Amino acid sequence: ETGVTQTPRHLVMGMTNKKSLKCEQHLGHNAMYWYKQSAKKPLELMFVYNFKEQTENNSVPSRFSPECPNSSHLFLHLHTLQPEDSALYLCASSQDTVTGGTGQPQHFGDGTRLSIL
Amino acid sequence: GQNIDQPTEMTATEGAIVQINCTYQTSGFNGLFWYQQHAGEAPTFLSYNVLDGLEEKGRFSSFLSRSKGYSYLLLKELQMKDSASYLCAVRATGAGSYQLTFGKGTKLSVIP
Repeated sequence: ETGVTQTPRHLVMGMTNKKSLKCEQHLGHNAMYWYKQSAKKPLELMFVYNFKEQTENNSVPSRFSPECPNSSHLFLHLHTLQPEDSALYLCASSQDTVTGGTGQPQHFGDGTRLSIL
Repeated sequence: GQNIDQPTEMTATEGAIVQINCTYQTSGFNGLFWYQQHAGEAPTFLSYNVLDGLEEKGRFSSFLSRSKGYSYLLLKELQMKDSASYLCAVRATGAGSYQLTFGKGTKLSVIP
C-alpha cells in the first residue's frame, strides 16, 4: 500500500545532529499521527494533527518537534536526541472522527528506523 | 488511564484455527481495532468492533464484549503468511477520541 509514504526508511544520526522525518499521505485524510514503536513496548502515540492543528501532544520531549504544513504532509524534526530514542517511528493518517465517525481506521506508513549513536 | 493486555507470543499449525485474546480497562470506550504487522512493515487494519458480537471478514473474525472488556481475533485456515504480530487497540472517548491506545502485540508463529 502506498497510501502513506515515509522517508527516509532508515536513519543513523549522532546525538548532536539535526534531522527531519517526512510523511506524506495520498488518501485524502485530514488527521495525521506520529507514533514511536520500541522493542517489547506498545505503539506510543506522540502527536496528533487534525486539519493541520495539533490536537494532542503526549508529553513528548521538546527534542521532538512536529510540523504539519497541510493535511497531506507531516514532519518530525529531531535534535539532540538520546540513545533511548532509537526506535521505529511510524506515521499514520485517518479521516477525523467528527465527520468520518469513530470507526475510521488509521493507515500507517512503513516507518523510519532511527538509530542514535 | 488505559490498560490493554494480550499474550506476547503464540504458535499454531498451518491449517488450524487460532484465537488471540485482548482484555482492556479504559476510562472511556469508543471502539476496538485489530491490526496485523509483519516484521519490518506497517501495521495494516484488520477489523473494528464497537458493538457486542462477532464481525466476520473472510478467514478473520473479531469478537467484542464491552461488559467484560474483552475481545478476540479468530484466524481460521491458518497460512504461513499469517505469521505476524497482531495488535489490539482501543479508541477513547471525548477529548482523546483521536487517540488509539495499543497493546504490546501478540507475535503469532505459524508452523508447518
